Amino acid sequence: AQSVTQLGSHVSVSEGALVLLRCNYSSSVPPYLFWYVQYPNQGLQLLLKYTTGATLVKGINGFEAEFKKSETSFHLTKPSAHMSDAAEYFCAVSEIYKLIFGSGTRLLVRP
Amino acid sequence: DGGITQSPKYLFRKEGQNVTLSCEQNLNHDAMYWYRQDPGQGLRLIYYSQIVNDFQKGDIAEGYSVSREKKESFPLTVTSAQKNPTAFYLCASSQQALNQPQHFGDGTRLSIL
Repeated sequence: AQSVTQLGSHVSVSEGALVLLRCNYSSSVPPYLFWYVQYPNQGLQLLLKYTTGATLVKGINGFEAEFKKSETSFHLTKPSAHMSDAAEYFCAVSEIYKLIFGSGTRLLVRP
Repeated sequence: DGGITQSPKYLFRKEGQNVTLSCEQNLNHDAMYWYRQDPGQGLRLIYYSQIVNDFQKGDIAEGYSVSREKKESFPLTVTSAQKNPTAFYLCASSQQALNQPQHFGDGTRLSIL
């Protein structure tokens, strides 16, 4: 069965600094991978997805993620953090009939 | 605009009471899902449905029930058998393909009186 591990339940960065949120997956088949963002008391919003093709995927709000098969990773990055990026981020891998989610990483942005 | 509507936004349950959370989608998606979210635990799958009149248990189905009589609707009932129902409940839908993302509603927060 597939699984997802997000390293770090909390990540704190200064405004303007690089954002790096880590996600590793295990899958016996080529994976389909997703990153979602959740703001307080709201549902999840899709940031980006990897299905096939280009391994560097660009998403909304300036985020991007790189699929590295050799490292079984799909880390999320943003060159310059903004205060509005403060939220919880979830990585997910597709399994038959459902998504498997990581436990989430809360991003804190310091002024 | 197409999307998923969950209601109510906040819900309170008394001891021994069943409550029903509504989820409606107009995205024409075949598949629908219910998740429970607790602080620090991510999302846990309660039930999912791939097609009308069919649904499967997820990882934490005990104390919950669902129905799928219409493609657009997937209500979740939290029964009195669920001893710790306080949580944030999220409904989602998707097309039936592995490479398709799930789309989420804005959630219902359930608390015990």
